[in-house]
Amino acid sequence: DIQMTQSPSSLSASVGDRVTITCRTSQSISSYLNWYQQKPGKAPKLLIYAASSLQSGVPSRFGGSGFGTEFTLTISSLQPEDFATYYCQQTYNTPWTFGQGTKVEI
Amino acid sequence: QVQLVQSGAEVKKPGASVKVSCKASGYTFLDYHINWVRQAPGQGLEWMGWINPNGGGTIHAEKFQGRVTMTRDTSISTVYMELSRLRSNDTAMYFCARLNGFYDTSRYFSINYMDVWGEGTTVTVSS
Repeated sequence: DIQMTQSPSSLSASVGDRVTITCRTSQSISSYLNWYQQKPGKAPKLLIYAASSLQSGVPSRFGGSGFGTEFTLTISSLQPEDFATYYCQQTYNTPWTFGQGTKVEI
Repeated sequence: QVQLVQSGAEVKKPGASVKVSCKASGYTFLDYHINWVRQAPGQGLEWMGWINPNGGGTIHAEKFQGRVTMTRDTSISTVYMELSRLRSNDTAMYFCARLNGFYDTSRYFSINYMDVWGEGTTVTVSS
């Protein structure tokens, strides 16, 4: 199975901050990497697919980059509604696997 | 609007089975695979597998081999996930999610992502 490692596991930030979350994979997955946001008690929400493509309806302050084994999710200016947990997911090989999550807190 | 609506919370005893449903609406049911993803309390996301409503083909993670069955009823646009021989560590929220994507012609590979999610079904396994 492909192992996914996110860093940091949690971070504290303020409204307006630039936030970067990293996802590393145990083998190259080209650009077959998605990012999801999850708020407590809710289903995950797709933000980014194929490493850098913004899902329709997602604010442009969210951006993704990377290729191979290292990927980043960037929030250019953190908003109050962005406090949540973020997960990366690879769809290169089954079983599709997720990172352990990064909790973004105030 | 496009949505997936799941069945209600379940409480089961160890060794029993549970069957969770996921009803699709707002799009052509046969055109999109449905995935199942679970999340234990306070933990991360775990992909279980998917079903192709068009034909019923399935693929699932090895760890669920022999315990998970995914089926569909096309007449009511509903897919089901049944998990048998339940144990306490199967206690989790179970989500269904629509699989969207396209074929990357430059790399001869499919881009896949889960773009619509159900609200989740809580399954509690307790004696």
